[in-house]
Amino acid sequence: GAVVSQHPSWVICKSGTSVKIECRSLDFQATTMFWYRQFPKQSLMLMATSNEGSKATYEQGVEKDKFLINHASLTLSTLTVTSAHPEDSSFYICSAPDWPSSYEQYFGPGTRLTVT
Amino acid sequence: DAKTTQPTSMDCAEGRAANLPCNHSTISGNEYVYWYRQIHSQGPQYIIHGLKNNETNEMASLIITEDRKSSTLILPHATLRDTAVYYCIVRVNTNAGKSTFGDGTTLTVKP
Repeated sequence: GAVVSQHPSWVICKSGTSVKIECRSLDFQATTMFWYRQFPKQSLMLMATSNEGSKATYEQGVEKDKFLINHASLTLSTLTVTSAHPEDSSFYICSAPDWPSSYEQYFGPGTRLTVT
Repeated sequence: DAKTTQPTSMDCAEGRAANLPCNHSTISGNEYVYWYRQIHSQGPQYIIHGLKNNETNEMASLIITEDRKSSTLILPHATLRDTAVYYCIVRVNTNAGKSTFGDGTTLTVKP
């Protein structure tokens, strides 16, 4: 099946700094990608839908100025956590549908963010 | 997207079949049933999906009731590596078909 990668796999940053997470579709093009956040022992929560060449769509309650999303190419979406705080520490996961080749949605391996 | 209901946890003996139920009584006609699993600290892994017919692949079988209000994922011969959280999701099959995750079922396969 198709592969989605994320970089970095884990990152530690100091409070107040910004962190960029990359999501790449390795062998297919994705005009749409999704970003999720998962806190310990909880389910995945959809944060936003990333659209190539246009603005991202954010779910209710997600601060768009804090979680900046850029989808500049058909294989890359980035999530930047700005002015990170300890409560932003979480597991961030992206996904991309391999559409219209298949109807499957492929998930990245996730990025563990720890803010100290 | 329609909401799904799954048991919080299930146990299964190694080598036996694991049957994981999911209720999706408000599913729409154009929504598919998808199953994913998440092994600890990894991204979700696609297992199988279907619209109304039963489906089988190398990983599992999916049984969807005739009224489409519920489904069952079957792992025919569970192994210890199948221990994971299993998520049942219903969504449309388009490029914008985002997946909304519920709490899933934690399956523990025991030796």
